[in-house]
Amino acid sequence: AQKITQTQPGMFVQEKEAVTLDCTYDTSDPSYGLFWYKQPSSGEMIFLIYQGSYDQQNATEGRYSLNFQKARKSANLVISASQLGDSAMYFCAMRAPVGGGSNYKLTFGKGTLLTVNP
Amino acid sequence: GAVVSQHPSRVICKSGTSVKIECRSLDFQATTMFWYRQFPKQSLMLMATSNEGSKATYEQGVEKDKFLINHASLTLSTLTVTSAHPEDSSFYICSASPGTGGTEAFFGQGTRLTVV
Repeated sequence: AQKITQTQPGMFVQEKEAVTLDCTYDTSDPSYGLFWYKQPSSGEMIFLIYQGSYDQQNATEGRYSLNFQKARKSANLVISASQLGDSAMYFCAMRAPVGGGSNYKLTFGKGTLLTVNP
Repeated sequence: GAVVSQHPSRVICKSGTSVKIECRSLDFQATTMFWYRQFPKQSLMLMATSNEGSKATYEQGVEKDKFLINHASLTLSTLTVTSAHPEDSSFYICSASPGTGGTEAFFGQGTRLTVV
C-alpha cells in the first residue's frame, strides 16, 4: 500500500525567505511519481511540481524545487523567496500503479498549512 | 496547461434530493478520472476511479449506491450524490490526466455541497 506522510501541520516563514515542506513516502512499487499541490482557501488544487521515481535530477519549477532523496524516500518541497501569496495548504501526493496493468491512483498526505508573514 | 472544468462550484440542496456534479476535461481526452472528497482542514480522500465506458472502481467504505459515477465519454465524468443527507456535505473535487503515462493530474475547481 502507498503512504504519504507530511509531519508539519503548519509552517511559518518570513516573506522573501526560503522554506522547506517535508514529505516522506512509502511504496513497494519501483515506478511512481511524486507531486506537490497548492490549495488556497478557494479550494482549487494547483499543480506545482512533479518528480518521477526514475528521474536523475531534482525537479525545479521557478521558485519551487523538489529535494528528492530516493534512498530516504523523501520528497521535500523547497519554496525560495516566499511571497505573501504563497500562504496556502500544500499537499504532497504519490501516484503509483494499482492492481497491475495501467491503473493508478494518487495518494495524498495530510497537508501542511504554510503562512507567509510580512 | 490542460484544463479540467467542474460544475457547479457550489450547491445547496434539501435532504433527500439528488445532486449531480460534472467534471469535464476541456482540451484533452481523459480515459480515467478520479473523484475525491475533502472535509474541512483535511486531506483529499479518493472516493472512486472513473473509467470511460466501464464501471467505476470505488474505494473501500464508499457506498456505490450513494455516490453514482458515470464516465460516458472521454471528456466527461459525473458524480451523483443520491438521497443526500447533511453528513454528505463536503467539498468534492475531480481530477483527470491526459493519459496513463502523464505526469500531471489536473484538478477541477471543486464543488462545495451543502445539504440542508
